[in-house]
Amino acid sequence: AQSVAQPEDQVNVAEGNPLTVKCTYSVSGNPYLFWYVQYPNRGLQFLLKYITGDNLVKGSYGFEAEFNKSQTSFHLKKPSALVSDSALYFCAVRDLNAGNNRKLIWGLGTSLAVNP
Amino acid sequence: DGGITQSPKYLFRKEGQNVTLSCEQNLNHDAMYWYRQDPGQGLRLIYYSQIVNDFQKGDIAEGYSVSREKKESFPLTVTSAQKNPTAFYLCASSTLPLTGWGAFFGQGTRLTVV
Repeated sequence: AQSVAQPEDQVNVAEGNPLTVKCTYSVSGNPYLFWYVQYPNRGLQFLLKYITGDNLVKGSYGFEAEFNKSQTSFHLKKPSALVSDSALYFCAVRDLNAGNNRKLIWGLGTSLAVNP
Repeated sequence: DGGITQSPKYLFRKEGQNVTLSCEQNLNHDAMYWYRQDPGQGLRLIYYSQIVNDFQKGDIAEGYSVSREKKESFPLTVTSAQKNPTAFYLCASSTLPLTGWGAFFGQGTRLTVV
């Protein structure tokens, strides 16, 4: 079965330090991978995606993610964390069993806390 | 500005009532989605629509209904058959082509049963 896992419920980092939010996936074909961020009581905002091409994808707000096919991972990274990065982060993969329907399979989310 | 508008932001429902959540987009997107978000459970797909006058059930459609009479609008009705409707509801939309696919989300509606 296709799935997405975010192994950490919460990540704590100090401001200015690099951050990593982990995501692993399991799909039967080439994955379309996405990261979204959610601030409290708000909708989700698109950060970045991997469809094909370079394994290092750059996105909004200084975030980037590295696609690693051998490890089936798509970890979200930022070189220097800001307090304002504190939010809930979701990883998602396109449901390849849905044919042309654009359905996503979502991770459960990782709460990022950046401490001043 | 283009975007997705959900209304109301907060909604209170009495037991046994149907309520309708509004979702409007001016992005000219073909596909629209409704998700339910509960703490610790991530996002769960309720219904989605690829084109006008067509929609499909998601993973948790029971107790919900939708319509897609216009490209811009995808309202969700939470019926009295939904036994645990208290949640945060998110509407999203996306466009073609598939390789450019990514969803844009509204700000959400928090529904509480009182």
